[in-house]
Amino acid sequence: NAGVTQTPKFQVLKTGQSMTLQCAQDMNHEYMSWYRQDPGMGLRLIHYSVGAGITDQGEVPNGYNVSRSTTEDFPLRLLSAAPSQTSVYFCASSYSEGPNEKLFFGSGTQLSVL
Amino acid sequence: KQEVTQIPAALSVPEGENLVLNCSFTDSAIYNLQWFRQDPGKGLTSLLLIQSSQREQTSGRLNASLDKSSGRSTLYIAASQPGDSATYLCAVSRRIYGNKLVFGAGTILRVKS
Repeated sequence: NAGVTQTPKFQVLKTGQSMTLQCAQDMNHEYMSWYRQDPGMGLRLIHYSVGAGITDQGEVPNGYNVSRSTTEDFPLRLLSAAPSQTSVYFCASSYSEGPNEKLFFGSGTQLSVL
Repeated sequence: KQEVTQIPAALSVPEGENLVLNCSFTDSAIYNLQWFRQDPGKGLTSLLLIQSSQREQTSGRLNASLDKSSGRSTLYIAASQPGDSATYLCAVSRRIYGNKLVFGAGTILRVKS
């Protein structure tokens, strides 16, 4: 199993450009989510999904769109990039094991918006 | 709004020392609390998960405790090693499922050989 795969690892955008961060998992997990990590701050939830066709907003959803057409993929779209979106983005997937939930994170995408 | 705070922000200790990392949260209505490890340029790895009904969890040299009523958790690392150097984050969840975690900013740990 590859686990959670994020592409690209690094990206530089100009203000106003759009792009899609890819996230794929091969563990058949129901739950997937996107977080951003900024210096000196914890990870903040952008969007999450509890299954194919079902998504919802997290703490900081503005400027981002998601869709979940398959169990495996959960892309994050930046509609019109802004310098405030410069951050490291992490995708995570999880499954439930009894009362517990096991999370697996991708290695991250470092995004710079100029 | 749930807020998670981790103290200290950074810690440097000599190899072999026992150490404690602290995590506090403002809303005690949590379902579970997790401790993660993050290595530079990499994603997060789950270390320990404590259900709200539990007091502690242990894995090898790691022991995590939870005092839900006071909004505190500690991660105890015994006999620290240079390989323990990383950032440690705690996160709380209010939901049973769904990946909705609220994270602290983390403690950067350096273990000197």
